[in-house]
Amino acid sequence: DTEVTQTPKHLVMGMTNKKSLKCEQHMGHRAMYWYKQKAKKPPELMFVYSYEKLSINESVPSRFSPECPNSSLLNLHLHALQPEDSALYLCASSHTRYTEAFFGQGTRLTVV
Amino acid sequence: GESVGLHLPTLSVQEGDNSIINCAYSNSASDYFIWYKQESGKGPQFIIDIRSNMDKRQGQRVTVLLNKTVKHLSLQIAATQPGDSAVYFCAENIGSGGSNYKLTFGKGTLLTVNP
Repeated sequence: DTEVTQTPKHLVMGMTNKKSLKCEQHMGHRAMYWYKQKAKKPPELMFVYSYEKLSINESVPSRFSPECPNSSLLNLHLHALQPEDSALYLCASSHTRYTEAFFGQGTRLTVV
Repeated sequence: GESVGLHLPTLSVQEGDNSIINCAYSNSASDYFIWYKQESGKGPQFIIDIRSNMDKRQGQRVTVLLNKTVKHLSLQIAATQPGDSAVYFCAENIGSGGSNYKLTFGKGTLLTVNP
């Protein structure tokens, strides 16, 4: 199994809503990542978890809250988002820092 | 009108030609590099990788070249096919110890293959 599974595939939420994005991998990878991607732009790193601990936060606003409940799961909790937060949110995982990161298909988020 | 910044660099080739996609990286501490292919509406897909102790690596129809002196990476695709049409990104992992997983992406190039 070399898949990273993200749910939901699409999400529309209002600016006062609270929602969560989920990511799951069963490859035994110890690093998991959240990226944000706007149209025609590269993925932009948001958070990295290494061995279930938050190791990198790229100065992401607090309305985005990551969580790693166990080594296979990664969540991104969303609260009070702005329309400019609309984007494709990608989850990835990797085994070591010298092996490729596998990406999920992303969650297309629209904030209205 | 649209900002120039919204436009990806583009490369248009004929089917069967070889393609070369270039990437400049800025951090001399980067020691691991990956090329990804991203099709519309999908997540990035791994193509090939290279560590900084190498200057060339070959895969099936693809070759990655690394020039650390000028901080430049290239991806060569042989006998390009219509299915190769996608956006290609280089990504670098900035080295600072075995547990540093900071993987950041370059700007991307849109490859269009004409039949």
